[in-house]
Amino acid sequence: GAVVSQHPSRVICKSGTSVKIECRSLDFQATTMFWYRQFPKQSLMLMATSNEGSKATYEQGVEKDKFLINHASLTLSTLTVTSAHPEDSSFYICSARAASVSQETQYFGPGTRLLVL
Amino acid sequence: SQKIEQNSEALNIQEGKTATLTCNYTNYSPAYLQWYRQDPGRGPVFLLLIRENEKEKRKERLKVTFDTTLKQSLFHITASQPADSATYLCALDPGGYQKVTFGTGTKLQVIP
Repeated sequence: GAVVSQHPSRVICKSGTSVKIECRSLDFQATTMFWYRQFPKQSLMLMATSNEGSKATYEQGVEKDKFLINHASLTLSTLTVTSAHPEDSSFYICSARAASVSQETQYFGPGTRLLVL
Repeated sequence: SQKIEQNSEALNIQEGKTATLTCNYTNYSPAYLQWYRQDPGRGPVFLLLIRENEKEKRKERLKVTFDTTLKQSLFHITASQPADSATYLCALDPGGYQKVTFGTGTKLQVIP
């Protein structure tokens, strides 16, 4: 149980285009989902927290107009990187939390590797 | 400011030995401390959680200790196997659905 999927697993795009990443909880309802970014040999950095049906809460320094987050249902959250630039190239990971599974534990997706040319 | 430190140097250990990884923190009072495993190009996988009022937690070959006085957690893998080779992350959770902060991880290499 408690499986989180992400799609796509890898994406290459041209500078200036937008990229959408999907995060799904497959066998539980995710009341809260988190989006992280991880650069090589660095820690996971939280970008934003989203609760179903409400606006995402962004961490300091993360541009909400650039990284659009939608948590439209209890099993799906999307992150759209708008007008992507090479410096946005990174590993994006989502996680989900559900009281029905465990109040304390986050379950992570497999990650999406974004390369902006 | 809050800080989490894990050995940035890779840890190489012989198969069958016990691997011990360290997580130290400052300016933090976590309600929970968690350990995750991360393989290259993959998301973290949850391993163990220990609460602030617990000293030790075990799961199969894994053992975690939590010393809130020393502000340190130790993560042990006994009878280590090459398949245990990965990066191990500690994460501090203040509870109350607040932000979880991750360390940079320690890369473990178990040599056959």
